[in-house]
Amino acid sequence: GENVEQHPSTLSVQEGDSAVIKCTYSDSASNYFPWYKQELGKRPQLIIDIRSNVGEKKDQRIAVTLNKTAKHFSLHITETQPEDSAVYFCAASPRETSGSRLTFGEGTQLTVNP
Amino acid sequence: NAGVTQTPKFRVLKTGQSMTLLCAQDMNHEYMYWYRQDPGMGLRLIHYSVGEGTTAKGEVPDGYNVSRLKKQNFLLGLESAAPSQTSVYFCASSTPRFWPTSGRAINEQFFGPGTRLTVL
Repeated sequence: GENVEQHPSTLSVQEGDSAVIKCTYSDSASNYFPWYKQELGKRPQLIIDIRSNVGEKKDQRIAVTLNKTAKHFSLHITETQPEDSAVYFCAASPRETSGSRLTFGEGTQLTVNP
Repeated sequence: NAGVTQTPKFRVLKTGQSMTLLCAQDMNHEYMYWYRQDPGMGLRLIHYSVGEGTTAKGEVPDGYNVSRLKKQNFLLGLESAAPSQTSVYFCASSTPRFWPTSGRAINEQFFGPGTRLTVL
């Protein structure tokens, strides 16, 4: 089955700096890679996603890049703000998987210091 | 439109007790999922369902059972709770349809608020 590894497990940055979180996946059949944000005590919510036919996607201050050959994808947050502090999860979904199942990484606790 | 709801929000059980967690969604989604979330381990899939009357095992199914008798509901059962089942449980739903003009992501999973379960 699919295996997703996420690094780093914790990340602390100063407000205004950039943050990068990286994930690798094992199943070359995976074709959908979402990122979820989970604030303390809240439910995970989708913030951005990318499909395997796209190398990069950007939405305001967040962007995701995908390298299919190397089987890794990354989340980039620019001009970080204190409200970006949360746990971020990457995930991967194989093309032929029944039920659109997602395999999640272990999560990254991002702290943005004012 | 409540989205995905879960009942109860909190529960404390003694080892060996049984309980059922209820997940309900009002978005007419075909797919539903149960995850558990433990510190440092992300979200792990317990069971999932691709439609009414169907269920399948996920990554960590042992000790749990599920049922999807109605499209909008997905129940997670613990027959004999163990301390290792202390966790936060999240339900999620999604649909396989793709909306090319709305920008809505395919496979986006919508999560419920979670149930914090402690087994003593």
